[in-house]
Amino acid sequence: EAGVAQSPRYKIIEKRQSVAFWCNPISGHATLYWYQQILGQGPKLLIQFQNNGVVDDSQLPKDRFSAERLKGVDSTLKIQPAKLEDSAVYLCASSYTGGVAEAFFGQGTRLTVV
Amino acid sequence: LAKTTQPISMDSYEGQEVNITCSHNNIATNDYITWYQQFPSQGPRFIIQGYKTKVTNEVASLFIPADRKSSTLSLPRVSLSDTAVYYCLFPASGGYNKLIFGAGTRLAVHP
Repeated sequence: EAGVAQSPRYKIIEKRQSVAFWCNPISGHATLYWYQQILGQGPKLLIQFQNNGVVDDSQLPKDRFSAERLKGVDSTLKIQPAKLEDSAVYLCASSYTGGVAEAFFGQGTRLTVV
Repeated sequence: LAKTTQPISMDSYEGQEVNITCSHNNIATNDYITWYQQFPSQGPRFIIQGYKTKVTNEVASLFIPADRKSSTLSLPRVSLSDTAVYYCLFPASGGYNKLIFGAGTRLAVHP
């Protein structure tokens, strides 16, 4: 079974530039998560989708971050404009709908803002 | 929001048993307790999940007392490859399986 795919693996941008990350979840998984993980900290939930609808985005800095999940499959996370404090690993995860299903994580995208 | 408390770090030696305890005083009746493991430069990986008493799989055991206000992850005979960060969390059952991670426990296994 293919895992959660993320791209790119690494990205370096200058502050005030924009950047986008892509995630392809495991086939059939209705729930998709985006996390931000700063070095030395646990993953912080940014946004959670159920199919193509948002069920939680309370921690998403909406003035600069946006995410979409068209057709309830792939998802993109965008930052515009980036700040130095956005330097982190961005993790995508997916799981079956509802309940306490196990979540599967991708390897993440390491973003460095200079 | 789901709140858990774990030790920040632990040290062990190869071949020893490691027990990591997590406190979750505000766990709801229907919540399950789940543990994830994260290696450097990788995303977290599901280890084990339980509701009460004891659960065991090929990787670990999970002990949950009757009041369910804490849980203990037990790793038998650890090796260097068990060096990782371990997270305890409880996704709400019946809802949207919201996964909120804390800081986790950084386990270092020494030769």
